[in-house]
Amino acid sequence: SQTIHQWPATLVQPVGSPLSLECTVEGTSNPNLYWYRQAAGRGLQLLFYSVGIGQISSEVPQNLSASRPQDRQFILSSKKLLLSDSGFYLCAWSIPGQGNEKLFFGSGTQLSVL
Amino acid sequence: GIQVEQSPPDLILQEGANSTLRCNFSDSVNNLQWFHQNPWGQLINLFYIPSGTKQNGRLSATTVATERYSLLYISSSQTTDSGVYFCAVGEDSWGKFQFGAGTQVVVTP
Repeated sequence: SQTIHQWPATLVQPVGSPLSLECTVEGTSNPNLYWYRQAAGRGLQLLFYSVGIGQISSEVPQNLSASRPQDRQFILSSKKLLLSDSGFYLCAWSIPGQGNEKLFFGSGTQLSVL
Repeated sequence: GIQVEQSPPDLILQEGANSTLRCNFSDSVNNLQWFHQNPWGQLINLFYIPSGTKQNGRLSATTVATERYSLLYISSSQTTDSGVYFCAVGEDSWGKFQFGAGTQVVVTP
Protein backbone atom coordinates (compact mmCIF):
# COMPACT_ATOMS: atom_id res chain seq x y z
CA SER A 1 0.00 0.00 0.00
CA GLN A 2 1.02 3.60 -0.52
CA THR A 3 2.31 5.77 2.29
CA ILE A 4 3.53 9.34 2.52
CA HIS A 5 6.18 10.56 4.91
CA GLN A 6 6.67 14.19 5.82
CA TRP A 7 9.19 15.65 8.23
CA PRO A 8 9.85 17.33 10.54
CA ALA A 9 6.54 17.48 12.42
CA THR A 10 7.35 20.82 14.04
CA LEU A 11 9.96 23.44 13.32
CA VAL A 12 10.84 26.75 14.90
CA GLN A 13 13.11 28.95 12.81
CA PRO A 14 14.37 32.53 13.14
CA VAL A 15 13.53 35.11 10.51
CA GLY A 16 16.10 35.08 7.73
CA SER A 17 17.11 31.46 8.19
CA PRO A 18 16.83 28.84 5.43
CA LEU A 19 14.16 26.15 5.25
CA SER A 20 13.99 22.63 3.89
CA LEU A 21 10.95 20.41 4.30
CA GLU A 22 10.96 16.97 2.77
CA CYS A 23 8.23 14.62 1.67
CA THR A 24 8.52 11.12 0.24
CA VAL A 25 5.92 8.75 -1.11
CA GLU A 26 6.22 4.96 -1.02
CA GLY A 27 4.36 2.27 -2.88
CA THR A 28 3.61 4.09 -6.12
CA SER A 29 5.48 5.53 -9.06
CA ASN A 30 5.16 8.81 -10.94
CA PRO A 31 2.68 10.38 -8.51
CA ASN A 32 1.46 13.94 -8.73
CA LEU A 33 2.91 15.78 -5.75
CA TYR A 34 1.67 18.89 -3.99
CA TRP A 35 2.66 21.36 -1.29
CA TYR A 36 -0.18 23.13 0.54
CA ARG A 37 -0.05 25.70 3.31
CA GLN A 38 -2.72 26.13 5.94
CA ALA A 39 -2.56 29.41 7.84
CA ALA A 40 -4.08 29.83 11.29
CA GLY A 41 -7.78 29.39 10.72
CA ARG A 42 -8.65 26.97 8.01
CA GLY A 43 -8.16 27.28 4.28
CA LEU A 44 -5.63 25.24 2.37
CA GLN A 45 -3.61 27.17 -0.18
CA LEU A 46 -1.89 25.30 -3.00
CA LEU A 47 1.74 26.42 -3.21
CA PHE A 48 3.37 24.05 -5.71
CA TYR A 49 2.51 20.99 -7.71
CA SER A 50 4.56 18.58 -9.75
CA VAL A 51 3.64 16.02 -12.39
CA GLY A 52 7.17 14.61 -12.76
CA ILE A 53 10.86 14.87 -11.89
CA GLY A 54 12.07 18.42 -12.29
CA GLN A 55 8.59 19.65 -13.29
CA ILE A 56 7.37 22.23 -10.80
CA SER A 57 4.50 24.66 -11.12
CA SER A 58 4.03 27.52 -8.72
CA GLU A 59 0.61 28.75 -7.78
CA VAL A 60 1.47 31.70 -5.59
CA PRO A 61 4.45 34.09 -5.95
CA GLN A 62 6.28 33.95 -2.66
CA ASN A 63 9.43 33.44 -0.75
CA LEU A 64 9.38 29.66 -1.23
CA SER A 65 10.56 27.23 -3.87
CA ALA A 66 10.05 23.54 -4.51
CA SER A 67 12.10 20.81 -6.12
CA ARG A 68 11.53 17.21 -7.14
CA PRO A 69 14.95 15.57 -7.42
CA GLN A 70 13.53 12.05 -7.49
CA ASP A 71 10.24 10.56 -8.62
CA ARG A 72 8.80 10.21 -5.13
CA GLN A 73 10.58 13.03 -3.33
CA PHE A 74 9.29 16.57 -3.03
CA ILE A 75 11.17 19.32 -1.20
CA LEU A 76 9.98 22.75 -0.09
CA SER A 77 12.70 25.33 0.47
CA SER A 78 13.40 28.90 1.32
CA LYS A 79 16.67 30.83 1.37
CA LYS A 80 15.42 33.37 3.93
CA LEU A 81 12.28 32.83 5.95
CA LEU A 82 9.83 35.63 6.64
CA LEU A 83 7.42 35.93 9.56
CA SER A 84 4.59 35.44 7.09
CA ASP A 85 5.93 31.99 6.18
CA SER A 86 4.62 30.61 9.47
CA GLY A 87 1.91 28.03 9.05
CA PHE A 88 1.04 24.38 8.69
CA TYR A 89 2.63 22.84 5.59
CA LEU A 90 1.12 19.75 4.06
CA CYS A 91 2.50 17.50 1.38
CA ALA A 92 0.05 15.48 -0.69
CA TRP A 93 0.06 13.01 -3.55
CA SER A 94 -2.32 11.57 -6.09
CA ILE A 95 -2.11 8.99 -8.86
CA PRO A 96 -2.38 10.67 -12.28
CA GLY A 97 -5.47 9.72 -14.22
CA GLN A 98 -8.43 11.08 -16.08
CA GLY A 99 -9.55 13.47 -13.37
CA ASN A 100 -10.39 10.72 -10.91
CA GLU A 101 -7.44 11.16 -8.61
CA LYS A 102 -7.91 10.82 -4.89
CA LEU A 103 -5.72 13.14 -2.87
CA PHE A 104 -3.78 11.84 0.14
CA PHE A 105 -1.99 13.99 2.68
CA GLY A 106 1.05 13.64 4.87
CA SER A 107 0.89 14.46 8.55
CA GLY A 108 2.09 18.04 8.09
CA THR A 109 4.83 20.33 9.44
CA GLN A 110 3.97 23.12 11.84
CA LEU A 111 6.42 25.92 11.04
CA SER A 112 6.85 28.87 13.36
CA VAL A 113 9.06 31.72 12.19
CA LEU A 114 10.12 33.98 15.06
CA GLY B 1 -10.44 29.97 -11.00
CA ILE B 2 -13.24 27.95 -9.57
CA GLN B 3 -14.84 29.15 -6.33
CA VAL B 4 -15.72 26.74 -3.54
CA GLU B 5 -18.00 27.77 -0.68
CA GLN B 6 -18.77 25.68 2.35
CA SER B 7 -21.54 26.15 4.88
CA PRO B 8 -22.02 26.48 7.72
CA PRO B 9 -18.57 27.72 8.82
CA ASP B 10 -19.10 26.35 12.32
CA LEU B 11 -21.35 23.66 13.74
CA ILE B 12 -21.85 22.53 17.33
CA LEU B 13 -23.60 19.22 17.81
CA GLN B 14 -24.63 17.15 20.74
CA GLU B 15 -23.50 13.55 20.57
CA GLY B 16 -26.06 11.48 18.69
CA ALA B 17 -27.34 14.33 16.52
CA ASN B 18 -27.42 14.36 12.74
CA SER B 19 -26.09 17.14 10.53
CA THR B 20 -25.63 18.23 6.93
CA LEU B 21 -22.64 20.11 5.54
CA ARG B 22 -22.84 21.82 2.18
CA CYS B 23 -20.31 22.59 -0.56
CA ASN B 24 -21.18 24.86 -3.48
CA PHE B 25 -18.88 25.30 -6.47
CA SER B 26 -18.97 27.85 -9.23
CA ASP B 27 -18.20 25.78 -12.31
CA SER B 28 -18.20 22.27 -13.72
CA VAL B 29 -15.81 19.92 -11.99
CA ASN B 30 -14.48 16.48 -12.80
CA ASN B 31 -13.43 15.63 -9.27
CA LEU B 32 -14.89 16.35 -5.85
CA GLN B 33 -13.61 15.01 -2.56
CA TRP B 34 -14.49 15.41 1.10
CA PHE B 35 -11.84 15.42 3.83
CA HIS B 36 -11.82 15.39 7.61
CA GLN B 37 -9.01 17.16 9.46
CA ASN B 38 -8.69 15.85 12.98
CA PRO B 39 -7.56 18.02 15.92
CA TRP B 40 -3.96 16.92 15.31
CA GLY B 41 -4.00 18.26 11.78
CA GLN B 42 -4.15 15.01 9.85
CA LEU B 43 -6.33 15.21 6.73
CA ILE B 44 -8.23 12.05 5.92
CA ASN B 45 -9.89 11.45 2.58
CA LEU B 46 -13.55 10.58 3.26
CA PHE B 47 -15.12 10.41 -0.18
CA TYR B 48 -14.29 10.76 -3.83
CA ILE B 49 -17.68 11.78 -5.20
CA PRO B 50 -17.88 13.83 -8.42
CA SER B 51 -21.52 12.76 -8.75
CA GLY B 52 -24.05 10.48 -7.13
CA THR B 53 -24.27 9.18 -3.58
CA LYS B 54 -21.90 7.17 -1.42
CA GLN B 55 -22.06 5.89 2.12
CA ASN B 56 -19.37 4.86 4.56
CA GLY B 57 -20.69 3.90 7.97
CA ARG B 58 -22.34 6.90 9.61
CA LEU B 59 -21.14 9.23 6.87
CA SER B 60 -22.67 9.68 3.47
CA ALA B 61 -22.24 12.16 0.65
CA THR B 62 -24.26 13.29 -2.33
CA THR B 63 -23.10 15.40 -5.24
CA VAL B 64 -25.50 16.98 -7.73
CA ALA B 65 -23.05 18.04 -10.40
CA THR B 66 -25.62 19.72 -12.62
CA GLU B 67 -26.61 22.02 -9.76
CA ARG B 68 -23.02 22.45 -8.54
CA TYR B 69 -23.29 21.35 -4.95
CA SER B 70 -22.37 18.49 -2.69
CA LEU B 71 -23.67 17.49 0.74
CA LEU B 72 -21.96 15.55 3.51
CA TYR B 73 -24.23 13.89 6.06
CA ILE B 74 -23.12 12.92 9.53
CA SER B 75 -25.55 10.68 11.37
CA SER B 76 -25.50 9.77 15.07
CA SER B 77 -22.51 12.04 15.60
CA GLN B 78 -19.73 11.03 17.98
CA THR B 79 -17.06 13.13 19.67
CA THR B 80 -14.50 11.61 17.30
CA ASP B 81 -16.33 13.36 14.43
CA SER B 82 -15.03 16.69 15.72
CA GLY B 83 -12.66 18.56 13.45
CA VAL B 84 -12.78 20.49 10.21
CA TYR B 85 -14.47 19.11 7.12
CA PHE B 86 -13.18 20.26 3.76
CA CYS B 87 -14.61 19.99 0.31
CA ALA B 88 -12.09 20.04 -2.57
CA VAL B 89 -12.86 20.22 -6.27
CA GLY B 90 -10.71 19.43 -9.27
CA GLU B 91 -11.07 21.51 -12.38
CA ASP B 92 -8.23 20.18 -14.48
CA SER B 93 -7.78 16.73 -15.93
CA TRP B 94 -4.44 16.21 -14.22
CA GLY B 95 -5.64 16.77 -10.68
CA LYS B 96 -5.31 20.34 -9.43
CA PHE B 97 -7.61 20.88 -6.44
CA GLN B 98 -9.27 23.93 -4.97
CA PHE B 99 -10.34 23.71 -1.33
CA GLY B 100 -13.23 25.36 0.44
CA ALA B 101 -12.69 27.19 3.72
CA GLY B 102 -14.05 24.25 5.70
CA THR B 103 -16.72 23.61 8.33
CA GLN B 104 -15.53 23.41 11.93
CA VAL B 105 -17.56 20.71 13.71
CA VAL B 106 -17.57 20.30 17.48
CA VAL B 107 -19.44 17.33 18.92
CA THR B 108 -20.10 17.63 22.64
CA PRO B 109 -20.75 14.66 24.94
